[in-house]
Amino acid sequence: ETGVTQTPRHLVMGMTNKKSLKCEQHLGHNAMYWYKQSAKKPLELMFVYSLEERVENNSVPSRFSPECPNSSHLFLHLHTLQPEDSALYLCASSQDRGLGTEAFFGQGTRLTVV
Amino acid sequence: AQKITQTQPGMFVQEKEAVTLDCTYDTSDPSYGLFWYKQPSSGEMIFLIYQGSYDQQNATEGRYSLNFQKARKSANLVISASQLGDSAMYFCAMRLAYSGAGSYQLTFGKGTKLSVIP
Repeated sequence: ETGVTQTPRHLVMGMTNKKSLKCEQHLGHNAMYWYKQSAKKPLELMFVYSLEERVENNSVPSRFSPECPNSSHLFLHLHTLQPEDSALYLCASSQDRGLGTEAFFGQGTRLTVV
Repeated sequence: AQKITQTQPGMFVQEKEAVTLDCTYDTSDPSYGLFWYKQPSSGEMIFLIYQGSYDQQNATEGRYSLNFQKARKSANLVISASQLGDSAMYFCAMRLAYSGAGSYQLTFGKGTKLSVIP
């Protein structure tokens, strides 16, 4: 079983729909992340949750709304998305924010907005 | 702001040969960490190797080694004895030693697609 599990793996939604992406980590880590991976672009950090704080990239539109009910679960709520939001959404976790601390990633949710 | 540059969109290598994937970075911060990740077609990002800015020796992990040239700000990944399963996207990433929230952030390059030829 992978340490970081994302569901669903694939999602097609209309621009007026509301959906949620789910991420669960079984590693006992203290920080969880949402990244967006678009074609031909570097991975873009969207949100970070840790024991101490929530950090977000100020360029992320409000139609993306994260929720972290506990240290093992992370959600990304989606509403009124645009076609340009189609991308691979990756969840990750890490033990802490030490310099050499690696992030462990899930397999991602491939989102298509039609 | 930090930046990672991977200048090779795609690379081909013959099976059992070695290949070098380039990565240059830009930061004025003296303390940072450099990572390489592999992303197969399944989508998951797999951690390969890490190099700290103060590490005296180049990092090695099995068939992976990191050619770290601090003065040139480069951190190239060397894969020895390539295997068909090495075909994937490879990403270079950097984290800075902020004391604030920014220290969580990994900044990624655009990646290099490696294809191993039988």
